[in-house]
Amino acid sequence: DTEVTQTPKHLVMGMTNKKSLKCEQHMGHRAMYWYKQKAKKPPELMFVYSYEKLSINESVPSRFSPECPNSSLLNLHLHALQPEDSALYLCASSQEPGQTYEQYFGPGTRLTVT
Amino acid sequence: GESVGLHLPTLSVQEGDNSIINCAYSNSASDYFIWYKQESGKGPQFIIDIRSNMDKRQGQRVTVLLNKTVKHLSLQIAATQPGDSAVYFCAENYGGATNKLIFGTGTLLAVQP
Repeated sequence: DTEVTQTPKHLVMGMTNKKSLKCEQHMGHRAMYWYKQKAKKPPELMFVYSYEKLSINESVPSRFSPECPNSSLLNLHLHALQPEDSALYLCASSQEPGQTYEQYFGPGTRLTVT
Repeated sequence: GESVGLHLPTLSVQEGDNSIINCAYSNSASDYFIWYKQESGKGPQFIIDIRSNMDKRQGQRVTVLLNKTVKHLSLQIAATQPGDSAVYFCAENYGGATNKLIFGTGTLLAVQP
C-alpha cells in the first residue's frame, strides 16, 4: 500500500467555523507533512512531523493547528480562517525523518473559506 | 481577467517527441532532488529522484540530469504521450537531512496529438 489518503476531498467553511482535515498513511512512514498549494503555484511547506513530534513550523498562523495522534494519522485543525486561506491542502509522508527519501502525497483537500 | 504571475511556463510538444523540462534550484547545499508530476485535481506524483553525488539517473522513459556547477536540473521524457500532460515540479531537499522540500515554480507540459 503506497497510498496517502485525505478527507474530506472538498470543504467549504465560514470564517467563524472550526473544521479539521485528516490524513492517513499505512506505509510505516515516520515523517508526515502538511503543504498548502494555491492555484498555479507550487506546494508550500507548512509543518513537518518527525516520529509524531512537530519538527518544523514554517511560521504558519495559529489559526492552523496540526496534530499527530499516532504514526499513521495527521490532522490539521482550522479555526477563524480568512478567505485567502482558500487553497488545496496536501498531506505527504516519507520513510524516515532525518534522511532523504521521496515524499508521497495524498490527493489533497480543496478548501474554500467564505 | 488574469494577472501577471498566474501563468505557468508552458512547454507544448507533439505526441511522440522528446520533452525537456528545466529547473533552476536555489541552494548549493541541497543534496537531493525530486521531479513530481501533478495532474489537474490530484496531488503531486513522484517521478524520479537524484542525489547530489550523481549527474544522471534514468527511469522508465524519463532521465534526470543534474548540473551542480550552475544549479540546474532537467527532466527528459522520451516519446511523450498524451497521458504525460500535467504540471511538472522539481523539488530540492533544502539543507541536508531536514526533510524540507522546496518546490520550483512548475512547468505545464501540453502534449498535442
